[in-house]
Amino acid sequence: GDSVTQMEGPVTLSEEAFLTINCTYTATGYPSLFWYVQYPGEGLQLLLKATKADDKGSNKGFEATYRKETTSFHLEKGSVQVSDSAVYFCAFESYNQGGKLIFGQGTELSVKP
Amino acid sequence: NAGVTQTPKFQVLKTGQSMTLQCAQDMNHEYMSWYRQDPGMGLRLIHYSVGAGITDQGEVPNGYNVSRSTTEDFPLRLLSAAPSQTSVYFCASRTGTSGEQYFGPGTRLTVT
Repeated sequence: GDSVTQMEGPVTLSEEAFLTINCTYTATGYPSLFWYVQYPGEGLQLLLKATKADDKGSNKGFEATYRKETTSFHLEKGSVQVSDSAVYFCAFESYNQGGKLIFGQGTELSVKP
Repeated sequence: NAGVTQTPKFQVLKTGQSMTLQCAQDMNHEYMSWYRQDPGMGLRLIHYSVGAGITDQGEVPNGYNVSRSTTEDFPLRLLSAAPSQTSVYFCASRTGTSGEQYFGPGTRLTVT
């Protein structure tokens, strides 16, 4: 069935370090892919998205490329900041139930100064 | 625009009590949904609606009811709260049949 597997957290990095959060998915067809971010005490915000194979989504220095061959959508950032500390969710839009989002379990990122 | 709003932010219930979680959006979105967030499990869909008067079940609907009498509002009712319903609840909305979903700030519910 539909599922998303994310790298387990928590991930702790120093400021200016390189970030990768792995995400792979199992889905029917080629759904739209998303990364959502949840800052402490807040709801989820869309960070970036990609709607077809080889698309690269980017926002605030974060990037992710839709890899159809490996069914992956890994999140990367070249130089993280303390303000990037949050929980990151990989998700895709299912063709079922009105286009519900299928989420990974979330990866907590903590960036130390 | 206020976006998606949810009330209350926090709630403590005793087992067997009922309550309604409120959700409203001012973006004229047709699609609205409720998710619950549990540790290590991401978010799971409870119920959704594709427009006023139309609702349907998601992955984990048991113990919850919804209705959609207006485009703006999509309340979630717990009929008889159970400890297994302790969770953080998020309401979301989207225009059209696909695309970005906008999430509310969440309601943290504890059932004792």
